[in-house]
Amino acid sequence: DAKTTQPTSMDCAEGRAANLPCNHSTISGNEYVYWYRQIHSQGPQYIIHGLKNNETNEMASLIITEDRKSSTLILPHATLRDTAVYYCIVTRRGGGNKLTFGTGTQLKVEL
Amino acid sequence: DTAVSQTPKYLVTQMGNDKSIKCEQNLGHDTMYWYKQDSKKFLKIMFSYNNKELIINETVPNRFSPKSPDKAHLNLHINSLELGDSAVYFCASSQGPPSLAGGPYNEQFFGPGTRLTVL
Repeated sequence: DAKTTQPTSMDCAEGRAANLPCNHSTISGNEYVYWYRQIHSQGPQYIIHGLKNNETNEMASLIITEDRKSSTLILPHATLRDTAVYYCIVTRRGGGNKLTFGTGTQLKVEL
Repeated sequence: DTAVSQTPKYLVTQMGNDKSIKCEQNLGHDTMYWYKQDSKKFLKIMFSYNNKELIINETVPNRFSPKSPDKAHLNLHINSLELGDSAVYFCASSQGPPSLAGGPYNEQFFGPGTRLTVL
C-alpha cells in the first residue's frame, strides 16, 4: 500500500472550513484514498473515500488532485466535536480490507 | 443499540496471566478485525476473520489467539501476558467478504476499545 504524509497538527477556528492535506505520491492506479478520524479515547470512525473523483457526503468532502498524488479532506464548518486525529489511508482493492494507519493529523478546533 | 461492543472496557492484570477480550457486532457484518494501539498511538491491525475464517494474521505472537464462535463475535485470548502487551485493543467489523477485484472495500466500524494494562 502507498505511503501517506500528513502534517502532524493543525488548528481551525470553529465555524470555519478545515482543510486537511495528505500526500500520497506513490499511489498506484488501483488504490483508493480513505479518511478515518479518531476522537480522543474512542475507536476510529470512517469519514469518506475516493478513487479519482471528488466525493462529498454528510460529514466531509474529499478533493483528489488530477494526478492523484495528493488529496484534501474538507470539513466545511468545523465544530469543537471535530477535534480529533485524522488519518489518510491509501489501500488497494481487496488486500483483506487491511487498514494501515499512519500518524495522522491532530486537528484542534478552537472557539 | 451499540453497533460494535467490547468487554471489558478496562483490564488490569499481572504479567504471566491469561486474559480474554470479547467483541460482538450487531450489524450483520461478515468480517471482523482486531487492532492494537500502543502508547505512542500507533494503530496496527492484528487479525481479520471473514465468516469465522482467519484471513489476516499480521505477525502477531502466537500468545494471541483470536476465536470466532460465530460471525457476530470475535474474541481475543492472550496467554502469558507481557508488559509490552499493554495497549488499547480495538475490535472492528465490515460488511461482506474482502473484495478480491473491483470496487473499494467496505468501511470498518470500530468498537470503543479495551484498555489493557499489564503490571
